[in-house]
Amino acid sequence: QQQVKQSPQSLIVQKGGISIINCAYENTAFDYFPWYQQFPGKGPALLIAIRPDVSEKKEGRFTISFNKSAKQFSLHIMDSQPGDSATYFCAAKRTGANNLFFGTGTRLTVIP
Amino acid sequence: NAGVTQTPKFRVLKTGQSMTLLCAQDMNHEYMYWYRQDPGMGLRLIHYSVGEGTTAKGEVPDGYNVSRLKKQNFLLGLESAAPSQTSVYFCASTPLGANYGYTFGSGTRLTVV
Repeated sequence: QQQVKQSPQSLIVQKGGISIINCAYENTAFDYFPWYQQFPGKGPALLIAIRPDVSEKKEGRFTISFNKSAKQFSLHIMDSQPGDSATYFCAAKRTGANNLFFGTGTRLTVIP
Repeated sequence: NAGVTQTPKFRVLKTGQSMTLLCAQDMNHEYMYWYRQDPGMGLRLIHYSVGEGTTAKGEVPDGYNVSRLKKQNFLLGLESAAPSQTSVYFCASTPLGANYGYTFGSGTRLTVV
């Protein structure tokens, strides 16, 4: 079964708009939540990550919001640009382990 | 500094054939992983290694074997390929310690006919 549930499957946003991708999990032993960005023909690359002891982390136009009680976290891309068009994966890692469990991915298209 | 290098990049196999995918990293990372990526299913862990000479099963290990004889290399083997193993395979590595991001290779696209 999917350890991390991700939605939506695809997303189309106008240039300058806000892109929001959501993820949810059940395992309370998860302690690290990264987001990866993947361009066609490339491997995923780490974009931003958060620990459950903070509710928000911002890096440039990218922000992770984390709701520990709801077991949900989301990626917000502000002022979305055509160059942000890619597939985004959320992931989670258990305490004491290094393996990541990935969501199913969201294909983002930013229209000029 | 090449990072994580996967070979080959593309391969077509016939059902029942065997092959080995090679992953090499030059970052002296302790941990290495093999994932498969399928449409609508994200990335799923096949096998992983926490150090030279050690391997462990991931979420979807059936039909695959791995070896890590040298720290920098992690091999993924398919002994008898099946169409269900048609996928894009990614290798990744991380250094020792918690909460480091994975460094991924660029993938191997495998088609089994």
